[in-house]
Amino acid sequence: GQQLNQSPQSMFIQEGEDVSMNCTSSSIFNTWLWYKQDPGEGPVLLIALYKAGELTSNGRLTAQFGITRKDSFLNISASIPSDVGIYFCAGQLRGSQGNLIFGKGTKLSVKP
Amino acid sequence: DTAVSQTPKYLVTQMGNDKSIKCEQNLGHDTMYWYKQDSKKFLKIMFSYNNKELIINETVPNRFSPKSPDKAHLNLHINSLELGDSAVYFCASSQVGDTQYFGPGTRLTVL
Repeated sequence: GQQLNQSPQSMFIQEGEDVSMNCTSSSIFNTWLWYKQDPGEGPVLLIALYKAGELTSNGRLTAQFGITRKDSFLNISASIPSDVGIYFCAGQLRGSQGNLIFGKGTKLSVKP
Repeated sequence: DTAVSQTPKYLVTQMGNDKSIKCEQNLGHDTMYWYKQDSKKFLKIMFSYNNKELIINETVPNRFSPKSPDKAHLNLHINSLELGDSAVYFCASSQVGDTQYFGPGTRLTVL
């Protein structure tokens, strides 16, 4: 089946540092989404990207939809302790009816 | 006024039992989904329903059956539970092809 390669698998950083994570695939996606999951909760949408090359910000978060439509990255600037959680990329294939394929997640730990 | 809600939050049961998980959304979305998250946190879609019609079924055992009494509800019924069914199950909803919003999850433990 289709796969998204998300990296890194985990990150341990100091409060205040910037963070970068990315997802790549061999398939072309119509939409890229970034979700965050806190322990015991469902994934919460952070940023949605709909056009190749699109760069979108949400506060300290910035994400880009790759020009080739096969990749996306998420940056978090000036990390804070509440940024801790698992970040998932998700892609919607061209022609699919809403079917999302998820990356395996990046577990972020922030040391105060 | 939770957008996507699931019950129960936790479900502990014996192998071989039949159980149901309920999902409701008040967003007016026309498509609802069920996902399974395994112990390694990998999220995989199981089903989706659009206007009471199943449109995705990703090689899920037929012991799992989604039931949608109306557009706002998509329940998941599981027969003859097995140890490997232990996981967190998430419901989600969206307009067709649009962003999906997730419920809080149901942690199923099969003993």
